[in-house]
Amino acid sequence: ETGVTQTPRHLVMGMTNKKSLKCEQHLGHNAMYWYKQSAKKPLELMFVYNFKEQTENNSVPSRFSPECPNSSHLFLHLHTLQPEDSALYLCASSQEVGGGLAGGPRTQYFGPGTRLLVL
Amino acid sequence: DQQVKQNSPSLSVQEGRISILNCDYTNSMFDYFLWYKKYPAEGPTFLISISSIKDKNEDGRFTVFLNKSAKHLSLHIVPSQPGDSAVYFCAASSYQGGSEKLVFGKGTKLTVNP
Repeated sequence: ETGVTQTPRHLVMGMTNKKSLKCEQHLGHNAMYWYKQSAKKPLELMFVYNFKEQTENNSVPSRFSPECPNSSHLFLHLHTLQPEDSALYLCASSQEVGGGLAGGPRTQYFGPGTRLLVL
Repeated sequence: DQQVKQNSPSLSVQEGRISILNCDYTNSMFDYFLWYKKYPAEGPTFLISISSIKDKNEDGRFTVFLNKSAKHLSLHIVPSQPGDSAVYFCAASSYQGGSEKLVFGKGTKLTVNP
């Protein structure tokens, strides 16, 4: 148990469906992240939120829409996905203190992931 | 172009022996390195980290070594236990543009045989 929860754990959706992934962190962190892990590929950063503000969009298609209503919750809204979007979607959180070597712990803690299958 | 490389997709060792997992990186901007462990159907779990100002960090059976000149780090597990069997990810971090950017390797699957 890392203090980061994700729901649902598994999701099957058609290409015309709209669904949302939810992430919640109970660690008091101020930064949250979405990652994608496809088969045979390393984890890829999708989005970063610091203090509820999006600070990174790693060239992610607009069919993925993140939302961060507060520092503890992060959503990933999905619409008109493609079969190649099938992957494990992981949420992470960390305590951002300005970065740099004097910035203290920079460890990201991951949730269990949502296994997504797009048919 | 992969900035973080784990060239061994798998490693098999005998219980009680040392496991050595290797990782190479290319970006000199990385200043913080982490190892994560992942079991099937679970998210990555943080294991150990090291700052670029150090060359070694130890935590129980786990030690991470960093060779900045060679842009290489390694994770040593000694003694290895069957419960250590998992996929191990190396990750490198830099703080740019107001956010932490973590780049992962593809992982090495470690099997510890009883």
